[in-house]
Amino acid sequence: DAGVIQSPRHEVTEMGQEVTLRCKPISGHDYLFWYRQTMMRGLELLIYFNNNVPIDDSGMPEDRFSAKMPNASFSTLKIQPSEPRDSAVYFCASSPSEWDSRGGYTFGSGTRLTVV
Amino acid sequence: GEDVEQSLFLSVREGDSSVINCTYTDSSSTYLYWYKQEPGAGLQLLTYIFSNMDMKQDQRLTVLLNKKDKHLSLRIADTQTGDSAIYFCAELGDMRFGAGTRLTVKP
Repeated sequence: DAGVIQSPRHEVTEMGQEVTLRCKPISGHDYLFWYRQTMMRGLELLIYFNNNVPIDDSGMPEDRFSAKMPNASFSTLKIQPSEPRDSAVYFCASSPSEWDSRGGYTFGSGTRLTVV
Repeated sequence: GEDVEQSLFLSVREGDSSVINCTYTDSSSTYLYWYKQEPGAGLQLLTYIFSNMDMKQDQRLTVLLNKKDKHLSLRIADTQTGDSAIYFCAELGDMRFGAGTRLTVKP
């Protein structure tokens, strides 16, 4: 398996534009997580899915953020409209059913978002 | 406040031992984890410890767990420049990561 695949690796956009981040989890993993990493806040859980269903989105900062998982192999995180304070590295991670297990989470390489 | 806490920075000389500490609040996790993040990369699982253990050794890595005090540590023996990275403590029962400790290894 190629691991968790995220795209794009880097995104630079202007304030007010829509941004879509993409993630392909590891095949067979039932859980998918979106995290945001900033210097100020460290690693924050935004939302997670179980079997494509959003379970907890309490970490999503505002209504400008939305996430979907239309099938087991694809998820998106959308920001509309984007603002400079959204600049961060966004990570997707996946895990098998027993997430509190020896395997932990598998992370993608992240998308570095810069909003100017 | 944070449920998983770590100091932010650690600097050591090459060849010395590094000890990274972590405290957590949720005791329901079956496992506790250490992840490593190299510059420009995602987090990679470095090691883990079962919550009923108090020590685990894996080559240069030693994980110590004090469940009573909810304290976890990672010791890296004979630290090398390639060990320079950010190290995250995690208890995934609550899906929480510490803020990460940036380890700098000086030659």
